[in-house]
Amino acid sequence: EIVLTQSPGTLSLSPGERATLSCRASQSVSSSYLAWFQQRPGQPPRLLMYSASSRATGIPDRFSGSGSGTDFTLTISRLEPEDFAVYYCQQFESLPWTFGQGTKVEIK
Amino acid sequence: EVKLVESGGGLVQPGGSLRLSCAASGFTFSSYAMYWLRQVPGKGLEWVSAIGVSVTATFYADSVKGRFTISRDNSNNTLYLQMNSLRADDTAVYYCVRRDYPGPLDYWGQGTLVTVSS
Repeated sequence: EIVLTQSPGTLSLSPGERATLSCRASQSVSSSYLAWFQQRPGQPPRLLMYSASSRATGIPDRFSGSGSGTDFTLTISRLEPEDFAVYYCQQFESLPWTFGQGTKVEIK
Repeated sequence: EVKLVESGGGLVQPGGSLRLSCAASGFTFSSYAMYWLRQVPGKGLEWVSAIGVSVTATFYADSVKGRFTISRDNSNNTLYLQMNSLRADDTAVYYCVRRDYPGPLDYWGQGTLVTVSS
C-alpha cells in the first residue's frame, strides 16, 4: 500500500498570502496518477488538480501543482476567503487507492 | 449537470445490513467506472469499492472484502453498495463518486451517513 504523508497538518495564513502544501509518497507514484482535492466544511471533496499539475474544470489559476516521484506540492498563490479548507492528495496508481491525512488551511 | 445522489444510510446495529443507492444523472452512466469512498466525520478519506464499466470488474478494500458488494444497474443509472456484517468502524459518511477513467475521481455526491451502533 502506498502511504501518502501530507505536511504541515495545519497551515495558518492570512488572505492574500501564499500557501505551499506538501505530499510525500512512501514509494514512487507516476504524476499521471496523483490528484488533489479540496474539502470545505459540510461539503464533499472537490477535485482540484489531476496528473499532479493539471487544473480540474473551473479551478482558478491561483492553484498550481507540481512534483514527481515521491514528492508533490500544491501551491495557492494568493489565498482567497473561500480557499480556507482541508486539502487532500490522493494516488490512484495502484490499489488500494490512498489519500493523505489532509492539510487544513486556516485563517490566521 | 452531473448529479450523484446517495440514499439508504441510517442507524444500524452491529452485525446488521444496509443497502446504499446512488442515483446518477447528467451523464452516460454506463460509460463510467463508479466508486464508493467513506469518511469518518472529522477524519480522512478511505476508498471502499469500485466497479468498472463491465459489471464483472469489481474491487474492494481489504477492510470490507467479503462483507460489502458493489453493483450497478445501467438501465436505471443507479449504483449500489450492499453492506453486511456491519461493524462500529464502518460508521462514516459514504460518498458515491464518478471516475473519468483513466483519470481521477471527478464528481462526488453529497454523501449519506451510516452509523453502526447498538
